[in-house]
Amino acid sequence: KQEVTQIPAALSVPEGENLVLNCSFTDSAIYNLQWFRQDPGKGLTSLLLIQSSQREQTSGRLNASLDKSSGRSTLYIAASQPGDSATYLCAVRGNFNKFYFGSGTKLNVKP
Amino acid sequence: DAGVTQSPTHLIKTRGQQVTLRCSPKSGHDTVSWYQQALGQGPQFIFQYYEEEERQRGNFPDRFSGHQFPNYSSELNVNALLLGDSALYLCASRTGADTQYFGPGTRLTVL
Repeated sequence: KQEVTQIPAALSVPEGENLVLNCSFTDSAIYNLQWFRQDPGKGLTSLLLIQSSQREQTSGRLNASLDKSSGRSTLYIAASQPGDSATYLCAVRGNFNKFYFGSGTKLNVKP
Repeated sequence: DAGVTQSPTHLIKTRGQQVTLRCSPKSGHDTVSWYQQALGQGPQFIFQYYEEEERQRGNFPDRFSGHQFPNYSSELNVNALLLGDSALYLCASRTGADTQYFGPGTRLTVL
C-alpha cells in the first residue's frame, strides 16, 4: 500500500526566506504527483502537477521536483510572503487511479 | 466557470442518522472523486466515479456509497453515522490524466 509522508509537519520562517518542503512515497509506480495548498477550513488549490515522466515543474515562485526512483518530491518556494501561509499537501496518483495524500506541512511566514 | 461546487457547506447530524452530500464537477470534467479529511490529516480517498459507475474505492466500509448522474454530478451517502465520520468531505473532478480540481468541501459534524 502506498504511504506518503511529508516533512516537516510544521515550518515557521521569516518573510523573504527561500524554503523547501519535502514529500516521500513508498511505491515508485506512480502516474503523477500533485502539490496542493489548503487554507484553514477550505478546499484544496492545485499548485503544480508533475507527470511521472517529468523531473520538475515551475509556476512563478514555486518549483516542484520529482525523483520517482527514490520516491521523493520537493516543493521550493522562493522569497516567501505572509500570504504563502497555509498547509501544503502532496498527493500521488498510483495504480488503478487511486490517490494518496500526505498529512501536509503547515507553513507560517512571519512578516 | 464556477469550478467544483459542493452542498451543503456545513451539516450537523446525530449518530445513526444518514446523510447525503452533493457535488457538481468543473465544466468539461467527467470523473468525480470523494475524499474524507479528518482534522489535521491529509484527505483519504473514498471512491471515484466515471460513466456513472464506481471505478475505484479506498478503504471505507459499505456505509459509504455514492452515485454519479448523467450530467456527471455526484452524491456521497453515509449511513448509520458514527462520531468518527465527523470530517471535511471533499469532492474533486478531473478529465483523463489532467489535474484534479477540488471543491470547498462539506463540513460534517456528528453528535
